[in-house]
Amino acid sequence: NAGVTQTPKFQVLKTGQSMTLQCAQDMNHNSMYWYRQDPGMGLRLIYYSASEGTTDKGEVPNGYNVSRLNKREFSLRLESAAPSQTSVYFCASSDPPGELFFGEGSRLTVL
Amino acid sequence: TQLLEQSPQFLSIQEGENLTVYCNSSSVFSSLQWYRQEPGEGPVLLVTVVTGGEVKKLKRLTFQFGDARKDSSLHITAAQPGDTGLYLCAGPYSGGGADGLTFGKGTHLIIQP
Repeated sequence: NAGVTQTPKFQVLKTGQSMTLQCAQDMNHNSMYWYRQDPGMGLRLIYYSASEGTTDKGEVPNGYNVSRLNKREFSLRLESAAPSQTSVYFCASSDPPGELFFGEGSRLTVL
Repeated sequence: TQLLEQSPQFLSIQEGENLTVYCNSSSVFSSLQWYRQEPGEGPVLLVTVVTGGEVKKLKRLTFQFGDARKDSSLHITAAQPGDTGLYLCAGPYSGGGADGLTFGKGTHLIIQP
């Protein structure tokens, strides 16, 4: 009953360091998404992938890259982390236009 | 950019009271969804409304989609402490569902025993 699994759940980085957030879903969904959630800003779409092999920018893509490794996995990479990227990151999957299923989130702090 | 504005931003009431929260936009949406998020977890879907004027009930929660499909409301009858959470409305980006959802900023609801 895993659904959407994100790793790591918590991470602290120094400015300029890089890291990759991993996401995997076991529901055979075609579409996957990365959102960030900040106080007072709500959930904002960073990147999405409508199918294996395709990725597209969302509302706030700057400073991020993504890889749709296969149908199950969609990773988010920060090449040079900045304090403005301190946030809670959520991965989600769906078979549009249906429900989005979210992971539990990855809390990232950039010092 | 399609914006969804939710009000109120924060609401704290006593157990047993009724409440309504709102989700408004200047854009027409083909559908709207309501999610509830609890601390430390991701949002979970409560309902999807598709037809203008549609009303859906989920136990003590009543969801309505405006006739013009620009707004929606969530009414809770006899609120319980278990209703505490962040309520988010969301609609598809103009490109369709495959492009993801745009979310309102949410209503933080606290039900005090």
